[in-house]
Amino acid sequence: DAKTTQPTSMDCAEGRAANLPCNHSTISGNEYVYWYRQIHSQGPQYIIHGLKNNETNEMASLIITEDRKSSTLILPHATLRDTAVYYCIVRVANLQAGANNLFFGTGTRLTVIP
Amino acid sequence: EAGVVQSPRYKIIEKKQPVAFWCNPISGHNTLYWYLQNLGQGPELLIRYENEEAVDDSQLPKDRFSAERLKGVDSTLKIQPAELGDSAVYLCASSLGGAGYEQFFGPGTRLTVL
Repeated sequence: DAKTTQPTSMDCAEGRAANLPCNHSTISGNEYVYWYRQIHSQGPQYIIHGLKNNETNEMASLIITEDRKSSTLILPHATLRDTAVYYCIVRVANLQAGANNLFFGTGTRLTVIP
Repeated sequence: EAGVVQSPRYKIIEKKQPVAFWCNPISGHNTLYWYLQNLGQGPELLIRYENEEAVDDSQLPKDRFSAERLKGVDSTLKIQPAELGDSAVYLCASSLGGAGYEQFFGPGTRLTVL
């Protein structure tokens, strides 16, 4: 799986949009971009994933650049409960053995400030 | 729907003692994972099961760690004997398996070895 680069930490004011960047310059054509987050003392939680097109769900939006070398996770209205470590992961999603493994890095620690 | 259940949540033992962790995945999920998470790091895969078969145990330290999933449902991870460096959070996750299925994580077991 391709490696990702994320800032170590970020702050965001409550109610504002949180934009978390991720670089994945060596991503392959069949690799997806996944985002998970981990709130303190809990297990990681899936947020969103995408291949080429921008994606949106009830939790967040994912913007992937046209060359797919970077992406941004957007939390449109951050709340205090969004304080967590956010992991950007790239991986192949197919039926081959091992394709479902996730390789976490150190992520970005997002702190939402009141 | 019940999530992934792990027990115990916390365990404190002395070095050289054995310890076991238990995981009950989400009903119907045939893929089960055990991860190790050291402080300040992302989770690292130890072993992945497809039903009762361990299909990826390349990162499991087999001299002291063992795991089983006898009936393809719940699973046990054992360490014998524990060492000081084994202090970490042990996470269990499950998924339907195959392309694009997300992993759902339990809350983890925090192990402290004294």
